[in-house]
Amino acid sequence: GAVVSQHPSRVICKSGTSVKIECRSLDFQATTMFWYRQFPKKSLMLMATSNEGSKATYEQGVEKDKFLINHASLTLSTLTVTSAHPEDSSFYICSVRQGANNQPQHFGDGTRLSIL
Amino acid sequence: RKEVEQDPGPFNVPEGATVAFNCTYSNSASQSFFWYRQDCRKEPKLLMSVYSSGNEDGRFTAQLNRASQYISLLIRDSKLSDSATYLCVVPNQAGTALIFGKGTTLSVSS
Repeated sequence: GAVVSQHPSRVICKSGTSVKIECRSLDFQATTMFWYRQFPKKSLMLMATSNEGSKATYEQGVEKDKFLINHASLTLSTLTVTSAHPEDSSFYICSVRQGANNQPQHFGDGTRLSIL
Repeated sequence: RKEVEQDPGPFNVPEGATVAFNCTYSNSASQSFFWYRQDCRKEPKLLMSVYSSGNEDGRFTAQLNRASQYISLLIRDSKLSDSATYLCVVPNQAGTALIFGKGTTLSVSS
């Protein structure tokens, strides 16, 4: 069964809207979750590492005020795209890792965001 | 050398063929490696983990060459359902997150 639940799977909204995406770890508690973005025919790019109870760690070039991450519990991390614009349209995917750094990550179904 | 680099592809093969993908990585300290499969417009799904010299699971074999810093994925007896993009994944320098290759697209035809 699914290890990670991501919601919503599809969002279409007007420019200037803020969009919140939820990522839930279903099978285990996750102190760390990861947020990725993928443009068409491109590889997954790590945006940030979400840490439970503390600030997220953002990758270089990712605006933390644009992409707000909240990891308030051991099973839920949220990514909010604030004042979204057409260039933010992308496939956003979260993942969780069970155990140590050398373990694989399990991905949510992803959220396809389209900003008109 | 890039953190992770894969064969450019696409690979177009007939059913039943054997196909191999290579992936090179830059971090010589990496201890774990992964192959993921991603179908069009879907999330990546873990295909295989590699922690030592290699791993085998049915028709799929992954081999690790630490001296040359590359990982390969071999698919035997290709099926139509194997058509997908295969992602080579290695830990980042700090070992805190995963870095994804651009992927190699496989198309198996009847």
